[in-house]
Amino acid sequence: DGGITQSPKYLFRKEGQNVTLSCEQNLNHDAMYWYRQDPGQGLRLIYYSQIVNDFQKGDIAEGYSVSREKKESFPLTVTSAQKNPTAFYLCASSIGTGRETQYFGPGTRLLVL
Amino acid sequence: GENVEQHPSTLSVQEGDSAVIKCTYSDSASNYFPWYKQELGKGPQLIIDIRSNVGEKKDQRIAVTLNKTAKHFSLHITETQPEDSAVYFCAFRASGGSYIPTFGRGTSLIVHP
Repeated sequence: DGGITQSPKYLFRKEGQNVTLSCEQNLNHDAMYWYRQDPGQGLRLIYYSQIVNDFQKGDIAEGYSVSREKKESFPLTVTSAQKNPTAFYLCASSIGTGRETQYFGPGTRLLVL
Repeated sequence: GENVEQHPSTLSVQEGDSAVIKCTYSDSASNYFPWYKQELGKGPQLIIDIRSNVGEKKDQRIAVTLNKTAKHFSLHITETQPEDSAVYFCAFRASGGSYIPTFGRGTSLIVHP
């Protein structure tokens, strides 16, 4: 059963703590993305990766970091430098450059304790 | 930069009525216009898309129309049902440069039984 999985569904962060959100896909897609969703603000791009070992900053990359060591995996770390991390985080993938349809995971809701 | 305006932000209809959501984009060279549906607590799912060489596309109760001259495209849902209640996002992709779509802020559709 192909698709995108994100874990955990809910994540709690303490002050000064780094947390990592997982995103895995078995669609054999080259491109992967991370979005942040806040109420009334739509989807804002954090980072994206077109290919393994390469990634680019999106519109709101400050306070976040990513890695792309495997084609299937694109984890996002929310660092302590991100002062307002409470949001719904969505991972997506697409076949590759120029192939526009994005497939989204179920999301992770990050809350600050 | 590229942007898209989506209206209305909230739409409330009675079951069986039609619903129309409109998006206006900035880049006249845009060539791909997808619509996504997001149910509560889930990731967005593609429901229909249209390319710039087509003026209208239908899929059962949903349709999308594109007016390239006026730079706007619309989602039409006929015979609405309670399960159509969700947040709908439009997006567009410019013909050159980054292949990553730009998303609207979303429309919350509520269908009353």
